[in-house]
Amino acid sequence: GIQVEQSPPDLILQEGANSTLRCNFSDSVNNLQWFHQNPWGQLINLFYIPSGTKQNGRLSATTVATERYSLLYISSSQTTDSGVYFCAVFQGGKLIFGQGTELSVKP
Amino acid sequence: DTEVTQTPKHLVMGMTNKKSLKCEQHMGHRAMYWYKQKAKKPPELMFVYSYEKLSINESVPSRFSPECPNSSLLNLHLHALQPEDSALYLCASSGRQGVPTEAFFGQGTRLTVV
Repeated sequence: GIQVEQSPPDLILQEGANSTLRCNFSDSVNNLQWFHQNPWGQLINLFYIPSGTKQNGRLSATTVATERYSLLYISSSQTTDSGVYFCAVFQGGKLIFGQGTELSVKP
Repeated sequence: DTEVTQTPKHLVMGMTNKKSLKCEQHMGHRAMYWYKQKAKKPPELMFVYSYEKLSINESVPSRFSPECPNSSLLNLHLHALQPEDSALYLCASSGRQGVPTEAFFGQGTRLTVV
């Protein structure tokens, strides 16, 4: 089955800093999602981005499907950005998650 | 409305109890999912329902019994659980199984087995 790998596994930032999270996948896909899991466990949809670039406020994402990776950019980070960021892809009817990047933003 | 609603939010149960987790969506989605998540790990797929029929069972022990009474509802019946079954249980839905669309998750049920 498809392998989904995220990097880095952990990231500590000072408030106001920028960061880039990466998601690599081992097989061709025509779908990819980014989620933010908050400390209460809720998985919040950030982007559905099979290809191209999308922006939503301080967050943006780019997927290059032909090269099998996606990037999530967080600019001017805030303490509320803390939590775990997952990318996930559908294959064979299953939504398969990467291992996540745990982000901690310090005031 | 992109909401998936799960109840209860928290559940503590003994190993001899029977309980049920409930999930509801009103987005017209025809695929619904149960995931289990342990601390510091990604969600792991348990079951997939497509058009109200069970299509994927990831070799889940029979003490977990899913049910899809209609296209909007998904239940997970729990019986004779073990302490290692304590976890966050997440429900999700998407347009149709096998067709790439965006998936949406409920807020989860945090289950503790004592």
